[in-house]
Amino acid sequence: ELKVEQNPLFLSMQEGKNYTIYCNYSTTSDRLYWYRQDPGKSLESLFVLLSNGAVKQEGRLMASLDTKARLSTLHITAAVHDLSATYFCAVEANFGNEKLTFGTGTRLTIIP
Amino acid sequence: NAGVMQNPRHLVRRRGQEARLRCSPMKGHSHVYWYRQLPEEGLKFMVYLQKENIIDESGMPKERFSAEFPKEGPSILRIQQVVRGDSAAYFCASSPRRALGTEAFFGQGTRLTVV
Repeated sequence: ELKVEQNPLFLSMQEGKNYTIYCNYSTTSDRLYWYRQDPGKSLESLFVLLSNGAVKQEGRLMASLDTKARLSTLHITAAVHDLSATYFCAVEANFGNEKLTFGTGTRLTIIP
Repeated sequence: NAGVMQNPRHLVRRRGQEARLRCSPMKGHSHVYWYRQLPEEGLKFMVYLQKENIIDESGMPKERFSAEFPKEGPSILRIQQVVRGDSAAYFCASSPRRALGTEAFFGQGTRLTVV
């Protein structure tokens, strides 16, 4: 059974600081996704990582994938308050498997 | 092009009642996935459907839960005789093709509260 673990589960950081969220998964994967969820809202797709060494950046967020280590990171640069949300990684074990396995999420709070 | 539409957004049911959750996929999408999110947890896969077919229901509880996606109309997730443990947010996602990938979009969810 595919397991996806995120850490930390909770992260409180000051504006302007940098930090990294880690996502480990237990089996070979073709695709890894990062989502953002605001309280009471749906999931917003942030990044899709499709191959070993993939790196994607959007604003202050950068995601990377190391398929050999079965590890993805979401790096936050110079955090701002509106990045406060819960961030999930999700793994699609094999292309066409039709289902995502989600991590438990990282609740990020940016303190002014 | 409207996104994935779920209704109701909030649903309160007493123990023992039935809950019906609806999901209208995006236009042109014929594949629907249902996920459940318990408080403070990630989403857990429940079922994958195509029009008139259940493709994968490996995440569905064996009893009380059923899902359908008829030829016409929305996909329905039905929970019979609800219990407190069914309280959760239920999300559906749709995609135009079999693989859940970059073309999948999530709805805003139905938050079910069982009292």
